[in-house]
Amino acid sequence: GENVEQHPSTLSVQEGDSAVIKCTYSDSASNYFPWYKQELGKRPQLIIDIRSNVGEKKDQRIAVTLNKTAKHFSLHITETQPEDSAVYFCAASNNAGKSTFGDGTTLTVKP
Amino acid sequence: GAGVSQTPSNKVTEKGKYVELRCDPISGHTALYWYRQSLGQGPEFLIYFQGTGAADDSGLPNDRFFAVRPEGSVSTLKIQRTERGDSAVYLCASSPSGTPQETQYFGPGTRLLVL
Repeated sequence: GENVEQHPSTLSVQEGDSAVIKCTYSDSASNYFPWYKQELGKRPQLIIDIRSNVGEKKDQRIAVTLNKTAKHFSLHITETQPEDSAVYFCAASNNAGKSTFGDGTTLTVKP
Repeated sequence: GAGVSQTPSNKVTEKGKYVELRCDPISGHTALYWYRQSLGQGPEFLIYFQGTGAADDSGLPNDRFFAVRPEGSVSTLKIQRTERGDSAVYLCASSPSGTPQETQYFGPGTRLLVL
């Protein structure tokens, strides 16, 4: 089955700096890679996703890159703000619709 | 419109008891997913419904876990003879049609504590 590894497990940055979270996956059949933000005690919320036919996608301060050959994808947050502090999860999904999640990155943005 | 809802929000039970967790997906969504999230980990897939049928139940950990979706809308996750290791947040998600690469919308979860 699919295995997703996510790094780092914790990340602390100063407000205004950039944050990068990386994930690798094992199943070459995976073709959909969403990223979720989860605040304490809340549900995971989709923040951006990328499909296997593109290498990069951007939405304001958030971007995701995908390298299918190397089987890794990354989340980039620029100009971080304290409200970006949360746990971020990557996931990989194949045509069966089942998603495999990484173990999360706790991002802390210090004012 | 209304998002995915789950009840109860919290459930405390004793080891060996039976529990039922309910999920109300977004109206009209045909695909429904159950995940389990332990502290400090990402959601772990349990089962996926397409309409009334379980399209993939490969994530159910053992035969104490069972889920149904009799009318293709509300789903119930049932856990028999609960164990302390079952303690976790149980998340439900739905998507419009379950087609590949489709966004899943999560509910708030049910926090299950087995004493």
